[in-house]
Amino acid sequence: DQQVKQNSPSLSVQEGRISILNCDYTNSMFDYFLWYKKYPAEGPTFLISISSIKDKNEDGRFTVFLNKSAKHLSLHIVPSQPGDSAVYFCAAGGGGNKLVFGAGTILRVKS
Amino acid sequence: GAGVSQSPSNKVTEKGKDVELRCDPISGHTALYWYRQSLGQGLEFLIYFQGNSAPDKSGLPSDRFSAERTGGSVSTLTIQRTQQEDSAVYLCASSSGQGGEQYFGPGTRLTVT
Repeated sequence: DQQVKQNSPSLSVQEGRISILNCDYTNSMFDYFLWYKKYPAEGPTFLISISSIKDKNEDGRFTVFLNKSAKHLSLHIVPSQPGDSAVYFCAAGGGGNKLVFGAGTILRVKS
Repeated sequence: GAGVSQSPSNKVTEKGKDVELRCDPISGHTALYWYRQSLGQGLEFLIYFQGNSAPDKSGLPSDRFSAERTGGSVSTLTIQRTQQEDSAVYLCASSSGQGGEQYFGPGTRLTVT
C-alpha cells in the first residue's frame, strides 16, 4: 500500500521553462511534507518542506504547493536549469519522525 | 560540521555470506534511519532509532536483517546469508529528532553475486 505516490517516473523540460513535479498521498495524518533531490552516487539532499498549516512555501526558484483536500502536493522549479537534473523524491511525515517516501521522479532539464 | 558518513561505499559479496554496513550520523542527532533503494525503486524504510527508545523495525524485510546503534551514535546494519535480491543501495539518515528534515549519507552499494 503506497501512501505516497509519484506517478510520473520521469519528466523532461527545456532549460528556462517551469518544471512541475507532482506527488499524491493517502494518509490524512501526514502533517508535513518534504522534497529531496538526489544525484547519482549521492544520498538525497533536502530541498524544501511545507507544513500542513500552509498551502505554499517558496525558496528561490523552488516553490511547493499543498492541496490538503486533494491530498496533493507539487514542486515547481522556475526557471529550470540543467543542474536541476536529478531524481526528486516527495516525502511525508506525521505524528513522529518517520518519513514515507515516494518512488521518485527523474527530472531532465535540456539545454 | 561533518555530515552523515557510511562505509563501505561499495560492497560485493557472494550469496550466502554475511555483511555489515556502518553509519556514522551527524553528531548530536538523536534519530537514525536506514533505508534501501533497489534499482528503479524509491526509498524503502528499514529501521528507525530514536534516542534510547526501542527501535522501530517495522520495515525490515526478513529476519536476516538486523541493526544496532551503539552508544546512541554509530549504527551497524547486518544482513545475514545474503541473497541476490538484497542487492541495493543502503542509505542511512539522521535527524535532530524534532521531526522534519533528515540528512542522508552517500549510501553503500551492495551487490550480491
